[in-house]
Amino acid sequence: DTGVSQDPRHKITKRGQNVTFRCDPISEHNRLYWYRQTLGQGPEFLTYFQNEAQLEKSRLLSDRFSAERPKGSFSTLEIQRTEQGDSAMYLCASSNRVSTLSEAFFGQGTRLTVV
Amino acid sequence: AQTVTQSQPEMSVQEAETVTLSCTYDTSESDYYLFWYKQPPSRQMILVIRQEAYKQQNATENRFSVNFQKAAKSFSLKISDSQLGDAAMYFCAYRYWGAAGNKLTFGGGTRVLVKP
Repeated sequence: DTGVSQDPRHKITKRGQNVTFRCDPISEHNRLYWYRQTLGQGPEFLTYFQNEAQLEKSRLLSDRFSAERPKGSFSTLEIQRTEQGDSAMYLCASSNRVSTLSEAFFGQGTRLTVV
Repeated sequence: AQTVTQSQPEMSVQEAETVTLSCTYDTSESDYYLFWYKQPPSRQMILVIRQEAYKQQNATENRFSVNFQKAAKSFSLKISDSQLGDAAMYFCAYRYWGAAGNKLTFGGGTRVLVKP
């Protein structure tokens, strides 16, 4: 088990383009989270999946953002018509619902730069 | 809504000395968890220590300990015998016990610099 994996690690895109990020959680974890972290700030919650169901979405997740977790395994986060304000680190985390004390394990993130 | 505040943007400590990071939070809930996460320059967040709100005893993990003051809604982290590898961003985080999602609410972070 190599932990939470995110791909790509870095993405540079032109404004207006669509981008998609992938997150592979720890295999036995059924909860998956996306966070956004801008430079010098703490991570902010975007959305949460339990298995394949998206159970919570933040107001930060505008209509241009969509996340999926088909079959309850990996997850994708797509941003359509990117804007410069979307430049940030996108972090994925996973946990196991068996214990409410379950630790959230984070991936290394995808750094998005919109030019 | 819950909020977490870290008032120290940066703290500097001499190697082998002790540094204390401050964190305050706001919640109307009585059951929750508090965490300190470390984010080294490689950017992967690592859990340092956790505290359950119903426990009066402060959590300790090796050189890391917390001072949890529930009434004051304060949750500070003490790093003893600081090492060069402790240099990182430290984030205080809150999680409501009852929420199905268990999402974390983070503070703005404190950068810890360790001087050799």
